[in-house]
Amino acid sequence: EVQLLESGGGFIQPGGSLRLSCTASGFTLQNYGMTWVRQAPGKGLEWVSAISPSGSRTYYADSVKGRFIISRDISKNTLYLEMNSLRAEDTALYYCASGGMDVWGQGTTVTVSS
Amino acid sequence: EIVLTQSPATLSLSPGERATLSCRASQSVSTFFAWFQQKPGQAPRLLIYDTSKRATGIPARFSGSGSGTDCALTINSVDPEDIAMYYCQQRDNPITFGQGTRLEIK
Repeated sequence: EVQLLESGGGFIQPGGSLRLSCTASGFTLQNYGMTWVRQAPGKGLEWVSAISPSGSRTYYADSVKGRFIISRDISKNTLYLEMNSLRAEDTALYYCASGGMDVWGQGTTVTVSS
Repeated sequence: EIVLTQSPATLSLSPGERATLSCRASQSVSTFFAWFQQKPGQAPRLLIYDTSKRATGIPARFSGSGSGTDCALTINSVDPEDIAMYYCQQRDNPITFGQGTRLEIK
């Protein structure tokens, strides 16, 4: 069964850093692009970042560009989102999804507050 | 960035009626549109990709259409299990989502 499992969320003060993980099972990340999407409480979906199937290209929303870094470890079949200089407006449920967004994890919550 | 505007914000229908959800882009989309369904407390679910192709396991009552700046999701004969938020998405870089349409069943 194809599954994605996010982890690493938590409560963090503004300006802090956090790294989210997304472990895939049932398929290998080496053949797929992957995406991070977030959803602020009571709000809609916001695309955050993506990585190409080869891993050589990365893409970011303007709201996170320069602060977030997407990466992957093929040996661990895990996708990452390193989040730096966190702001209150980064508070959200963070989902990882396959590149085509046909497979989603259940999300991990990030709360940025003092 | 392409802004997607969905209408209506809320759609209230009786079981068996047809639902038409619209999505308009601020400029022409060169790639494709997609549609997602999200029920409370759940992750989004892909319904339609490449503007008009149903994702695996999606019932035939869901269909997508459109091109350029406009797309639509049609649900023939809505069912109470279709109660959800529906989001359109465009795949040009950067990817963007619409603000959503809430489907209610009377």
